[in-house]
Amino acid sequence: QLQLQESGPGLVKPSETLSLTCTVSGGSISSSSYYWGWIRQPPGKGLEWIGSIYYSGSTYYNPSLKSRVTISVDTSKNQFSLKLSSVTAADTAVYYCARHNLEQTTIFGVVNWFDPWGQGTLVTVSS
Amino acid sequence: QSVLTQPPSASGTPGQRVTISCSGSSSNIGSNTVNWYQQLPGTAPKLLIYSNNQRPSGVPDRFSGSKSGTSASLAISGLQSEDEADYYCAAWDDSLNGPFVFGTGTKVTVL
Repeated sequence: QLQLQESGPGLVKPSETLSLTCTVSGGSISSSSYYWGWIRQPPGKGLEWIGSIYYSGSTYYNPSLKSRVTISVDTSKNQFSLKLSSVTAADTAVYYCARHNLEQTTIFGVVNWFDPWGQGTLVTVSS
Repeated sequence: QSVLTQPPSASGTPGQRVTISCSGSSSNIGSNTVNWYQQLPGTAPKLLIYSNNQRPSGVPDRFSGSKSGTSASLAISGLQSEDEADYYCAAWDDSLNGPFVFGTGTKVTVL
């Protein structure tokens, strides 16, 4: 059974870079048809997609975060990572990683969903 | 702000049917498939419906999804106490808002 686990510092100072890693177990990150994504949720608020990456390195990013986000993949470690620069208190959130099933079809348009998800990790931005 | 609009809340008594709407546009729901996620208190979201109306293995058939034009709906029939959770719709968006957007979320309360 595929499992994902986020890891990284729980506290980051303002203006610094948030760095998280997602470790995939029970399956290969190099599987075709799957991207790997990051989603976040500020306390008491809704979900926000950050970006997704294919094992080849191809990425999609949320336009509102694109200038500050870098997502990378390490197939040898079966991991993918998130870096978010110049963080502020507004970046305080639970960060989730998830497998992103993503396929362009001629009839249905883009078919995509996130499953499974990691348990999430809270990152607080504070001095 | 999200481009997929959901009602902030919905409620029902055990056994009732509850429906949650998700309103979008031609660039997201109108062009691509919709999925729904359930987030129980204090837990990670879980895929509930994918490709508009498909249930992953293990999801009870009390949950059903539909799509019409630029809107989608999630129905919960035979509401149970364990269904009390937040529900989010999501879709690919072909516009500058995209490429992926979540809905605003709906809190379902079982009275």
